[in-house]
Amino acid sequence: QVQLVQSGAEVKKPGASVKLLCKASGYTFTSYHMHWVRQAPGQGLEWMGIINPRGGSTTYAQKFQGRVTMTRDTSTSTVYMELSSLRSKDTAVYYCARGGSTVGILDYWGQGTLVTVSS
Amino acid sequence: DIQMTQSPSSLSASVGDRVTITCRANQDISNYLAWFQQKPGKAPKSLIYAASSLQSGVPSKFSGSGSGTDFTLTISSLQPEDFATYYCQQYNSFPLTFGGGTKVEIK
Repeated sequence: QVQLVQSGAEVKKPGASVKLLCKASGYTFTSYHMHWVRQAPGQGLEWMGIINPRGGSTTYAQKFQGRVTMTRDTSTSTVYMELSSLRSKDTAVYYCARGGSTVGILDYWGQGTLVTVSS
Repeated sequence: DIQMTQSPSSLSASVGDRVTITCRANQDISNYLAWFQQKPGKAPKSLIYAASSLQSGVPSKFSGSGSGTDFTLTISSLQPEDFATYYCQQYNSFPLTFGGGTKVEIK
């Protein structure tokens, strides 16, 4: 069965960076894109970007351009999302989600990682 | 960016009620529309894609319709496990965008 398991909660100071991981299992890792979506406390869902695990190509939301980097390790079926220059507004739960048969269909989601940015 | 507007933002309903949630895009997205259910403290769960196609394992009480700019999600007979927040999402173009959510509460 498809599983996306994310790394544990993080607490960071403003200006720092955070690198999250999402380990995939139960399917062919390089056959499906991976998205990152975040959700601030009590708020809605916000798409951050996508990575193609096959070649590593990425597309980022304009809002995060220059601050986000998505990478992958095909040997461990893991994708990473690094967000730099953190500010308090980046406090959120960050989800990875698999892009399904059509890239934009988010069919399976990780459990989420809470990132808290606080001085 | 394509803006997605859901209505209502919240609703109160009773077990057994038929519930309809609407989602409107500010431009034509064909049928590139998905619906998600999210319960407190949990990740979103995919319900519907391509506006009306049920994800595997999703009960048939959920249905979706629409194309172009106007879409609906219907729950035919609300059960206790259906009380949650529902989101629509367009995948016609990047960036993917979500509606603001509809919280379905118990009356």
